[in-house]
Amino acid sequence: KQEVTQIPAALSVPEGENLVLNCSFTDSAIYNLQWFRQDPGKGLTSLLLIQSSQREQTSGRLNASLDKSSGRSTLYIAASQPGDSATYLCAVRGSSYKLIFGSGTRLLVRP
Amino acid sequence: DVKVTQSSRYLVKRTGEKVFLECVQDMDHENMFWYRQDPGLGLRLIYFSYDVKMKEKGDIPEGYSVSREKKERFSLILESASTNQTSMYLCAIQGVGVEAFFGQGTRLTVV
Repeated sequence: KQEVTQIPAALSVPEGENLVLNCSFTDSAIYNLQWFRQDPGKGLTSLLLIQSSQREQTSGRLNASLDKSSGRSTLYIAASQPGDSATYLCAVRGSSYKLIFGSGTRLLVRP
Repeated sequence: DVKVTQSSRYLVKRTGEKVFLECVQDMDHENMFWYRQDPGLGLRLIYFSYDVKMKEKGDIPEGYSVSREKKERFSLILESASTNQTSMYLCAIQGVGVEAFFGQGTRLTVV
């Protein structure tokens, strides 16, 4: 059974820092991995999708990497801003239709 | 812009009521999902549908049913609402090989 873990559970950094969020999964037979952002009381916003054949994806200040063999993905945020404060979730999709989510990393970027 | 619209942001219902949560998409995606999100438990899949009139149980289907009469609309039904169904409900869509998109969420309180 696929399990997804995100470390750390919470992170507080000063504005301007580069940071890395981690996601690990137990079954490497995935179709893709997706990173989301969730603001309090809101739905999830898609940030990046990495297909199983890809190693990384970039969007603006965000870069996500995927290492299927080791069951790991990282989300790199460059030059963090207070507006980046949110909960970040990763989710993997295997052979079934459903997404398996991690429990999230709660990020606070202090001005 | 992708639109996944949930019919209500906030709902308050009484125990024993039949509750309908509606989700409408404008992307013509095959797959639609209902999740609930609770503190400490993360996102859990209730039901999903991969085609009109097709549905499959997720991880926690008890106390819920779904309806998909048209491709763009996926309804979650609480047959007899109970207080333990107080939660944030999230609808998601996903096409083949593309990213998943979520609605804004419905915060349901059962009193």
